[in-house]
Amino acid sequence: DIQMTQSPSTLSASVGDRVTITCRASQSINNWLAWYQQKPGKAPKLLIYKASILENGVPSRFSGSASETEFTLTISSLQPDDFATYYCQQYHSYGYTFGQGTKLEIK
Amino acid sequence: EVQLLESGGGLVQPGGSLRLSCAASGFIFSSHAMSWVRQAPGKGLEWVSGLTGSGDNTYYRDSVRGRFTISRDNSKKTLFLEMNSLRPEDTAVYFCAKDRNIIITSFDNWGQGILVTVSS
Repeated sequence: DIQMTQSPSTLSASVGDRVTITCRASQSINNWLAWYQQKPGKAPKLLIYKASILENGVPSRFSGSASETEFTLTISSLQPDDFATYYCQQYHSYGYTFGQGTKLEIK
Repeated sequence: EVQLLESGGGLVQPGGSLRLSCAASGFIFSSHAMSWVRQAPGKGLEWVSGLTGSGDNTYYRDSVRGRFTISRDNSKKTLFLEMNSLRPEDTAVYFCAKDRNIIITSFDNWGQGILVTVSS
């Protein structure tokens, strides 16, 4: 299976900060990557697919980018509602593996 | 509005069986692949199984292949997961997830999740 490695595992930031979360694939996934946001006790929410396409209704402060096997999720100006755990997921091939998650905490 | 409602979870002894259901509404069910994704207590997300819109192609993670069976009834807009020979490590919240496409890709709508606990 393709391994997805996220960093950092935990990120402390303040409202208004610009933050970046990184996800690295163990092999090429041709940008078949999604990002999800999950809040405690809730289902995940799709933010971005195909590495950089924003899902309908997701605020434009979220963006995604890709460089070969390295992918980034950027939040341009953190809002109180953004403190959550974020996961990447590859859908290039069988296994459809998720990263281990990045918990975004209030500093 | 898309709605996904899981049912069938609960407490079961190791070696036992459960059948999860996911009732879907608000979209053309047969036009979308569906998957089950689980989350063990305090852990991350783990894709378990999925199938294409027609149901002709099914996929499983290695740890559940041969024990779990995914299926769908497109006439009743319902997704199923038959789980046999359950192990303590199968304990998790199980989410039903709708795919953006007819094949397995990314998941744009999720159910609220249902807890499966495997313990003696």
